[in-house]
Amino acid sequence: DTGVSQDPRHKITKRGQNVTFRCDPISEHNRLYWYRQTLGQGPEFLTYFQNEAQLEKSRLLSDRFSAERPKGSFSTLEIQRTEQGDSAMYLCASSLRAEWTGELFFGEGSRLTVL
Amino acid sequence: SQQGEEDPQALSIQEGENATMNCSYKTSINNLQWYRQNSGRGLVHLILIRSNEREKHSGRLRVTLDTSKKSSSLLITASRAADTASYFCATGSGSARQLTFGSGTQLTVLP
Repeated sequence: DTGVSQDPRHKITKRGQNVTFRCDPISEHNRLYWYRQTLGQGPEFLTYFQNEAQLEKSRLLSDRFSAERPKGSFSTLEIQRTEQGDSAMYLCASSLRAEWTGELFFGEGSRLTVL
Repeated sequence: SQQGEEDPQALSIQEGENATMNCSYKTSINNLQWYRQNSGRGLVHLILIRSNEREKHSGRLRVTLDTSKKSSSLLITASRAADTASYFCATGSGSARQLTFGSGTQLTVLP
């Protein structure tokens, strides 16, 4: 399967612990996005990369959050000192279209539960 | 923040009926897209309509866009139980480099 893959699919952690999520986009896609989705809501933009450059970050991305895409391929999203309010589905998406806001291809998401 | 607002928040219909969902947005857009999400899964792109288009079809889907009213509708004809999912509109605006999603409509199609 050559779709977007995310790992792990589920993560349960205790408040104060660090967690890291990984996203492998579709191989030829140069744009990669992270979104957060809470229950009953639509996805909210966190950050995006073009190749290895992180070009935009949402105000939702506090200093406890950091994202990387070191070689312009896979990406990681790390949350330090997790809080209960971080519990959400973290979605990764990739895109190749020339226009900034073309179709996004989403992974299945990583669900985080902070106890 | 969420740019789009879907209406209704929840919709329950019988198999074979048509389902209509509406989306309103606030700022000018380049395009508007509709996505589907099955429970606990990722989003799947359904259709994209550009700001200079008024109507678009894809299989059983029909999307309309009225930029003067800043609104769009998604019509699913002859619905099936497998259409049960959440449906989100998402807007792309000129200077923004990401899509902004609405809060979604939960569609339930009863067999």
